[in-house]
Amino acid sequence: GIQVEQSPPDLILQEGANSTLRCNFSDSVNNLQWFHQNPWGQLINLFYIPSGTKQNGRLSATTVATERYSLLYISSSQTTDSGVYFCFPYNQGGKLIFGQGTELSVKP
Amino acid sequence: DTAVSQTPKYLVTQMGNDKSIKCEQNLGHDTMYWYKQDSKKFLKIMFSYNNKELIINETVPNRFSPKSPDKAHLNLHINSLELGDSAVYFCASSQPEQGSHEQYFGPGTRLTVT
Repeated sequence: GIQVEQSPPDLILQEGANSTLRCNFSDSVNNLQWFHQNPWGQLINLFYIPSGTKQNGRLSATTVATERYSLLYISSSQTTDSGVYFCFPYNQGGKLIFGQGTELSVKP
Repeated sequence: DTAVSQTPKYLVTQMGNDKSIKCEQNLGHDTMYWYKQDSKKFLKIMFSYNNKELIINETVPNRFSPKSPDKAHLNLHINSLELGDSAVYFCASSQPEQGSHEQYFGPGTRLTVT
């Protein structure tokens, strides 16, 4: 099956810093979602992004499906950005493939 | 308006008990899912229903039985609870028939079995 690798596994930032999270996947995928799981456990849908680039405020995502990766950019990080960021590609059958996530901690 | 809701948010119960978790979505989606997230944050799909019919059943013990009374609801009933069932359970929905597999997740139900 498709393997998902997210990097880095852990990241500590000072408030205001920028960061890039990476998601590599081992095979062709139809689509991809980025989620943020906040410290209260809620899964917040950030982007549904099959290809190209999308932006939402301080966050943006780029997926290059032909090269099997996606990137999530966080600019001017805030303490509320802390949590786990998941990249979930979809396989050909529309099933989510789960990675281990990147745990982000933003310090004031 | 909440798109995908789950009740209860927290559930603490003893081994051997039977419990249910309810999920409702008001997005008009045909497909609903149950996921389990373990203590290491790893998410695993359990079930998927499309318009009240089971389409994915991922080697989940028979003690877990999903029930879909209508396409807006997918409940999860668990018999004879075990310590290893402690986890966060997420419900989600999507509408792949419209060409989008984008999934919308509920807030989760934290189950603790003592």
